[in-house]
Amino acid sequence: NAGVTQTPKFQVLKTGQSMTLQCAQDMNHEYMSWYRQDPGMGLRLIHYSVGAGITDQGEVPNGYNVSRSTTEDFPLRLLSAAPSQTSVYFCATSPRDSFYEQYFGPGTRLTVT
Amino acid sequence: QQQVKQSPQSLIVQKGGISIINCAYENTAFDYFPWYQQFPGKGPALLIAIRPDVSEKKEGRFTISFNKSAKQFSLHIMDSQPGDSATYFCAASKGGATNKLIFGTGTLLAVQP
Repeated sequence: NAGVTQTPKFQVLKTGQSMTLQCAQDMNHEYMSWYRQDPGMGLRLIHYSVGAGITDQGEVPNGYNVSRSTTEDFPLRLLSAAPSQTSVYFCATSPRDSFYEQYFGPGTRLTVT
Repeated sequence: QQQVKQSPQSLIVQKGGISIINCAYENTAFDYFPWYQQFPGKGPALLIAIRPDVSEKKEGRFTISFNKSAKQFSLHIMDSQPGDSATYFCAASKGGATNKLIFGTGTLLAVQP
């Protein structure tokens, strides 16, 4: 089992460009989440999903879109990249009704110039 | 607004010593308090978690102590080893209709041989 996979591992964007960070899981977990990690800020929840077709906002949703058409995939879209979105992005899954029990992917390091 | 405050920011411990990391929270609605361990270049991994109706939980060399009245909890790593060198995050979680998982800002632990 691959667990949680993320692509790409690294990405450099110019301000104003758009892109999609991919996340896939083979753990059959209902919950999936996106976090960003910044120095001195810990991890902050961007968006999450409790099942296919259902998404909700986290702490820092502005500038990001998500959709969940299947249990396995949960892509994160940056609509118009800004330097403030330079960060490491983690996708995570959790079992139903155990939101505290997150299984993280390896991360995507994004730089916006 | 930081709802989970973590200290210290960094910690150096000698091999065999006890590492102690502290966290404080504000929202009494949280229902789980997990700790995550993160090695460089990897995603965080769940280490241990406690519910607020339990004062202590031990798993191997890792112990969570929980003080509900003070709204504080701490991670103790007994007999610290160089392989424990990592960043540790405390978190507070609330499930249900509005899922929340709020992370502390992290503690970089270095265990010297």
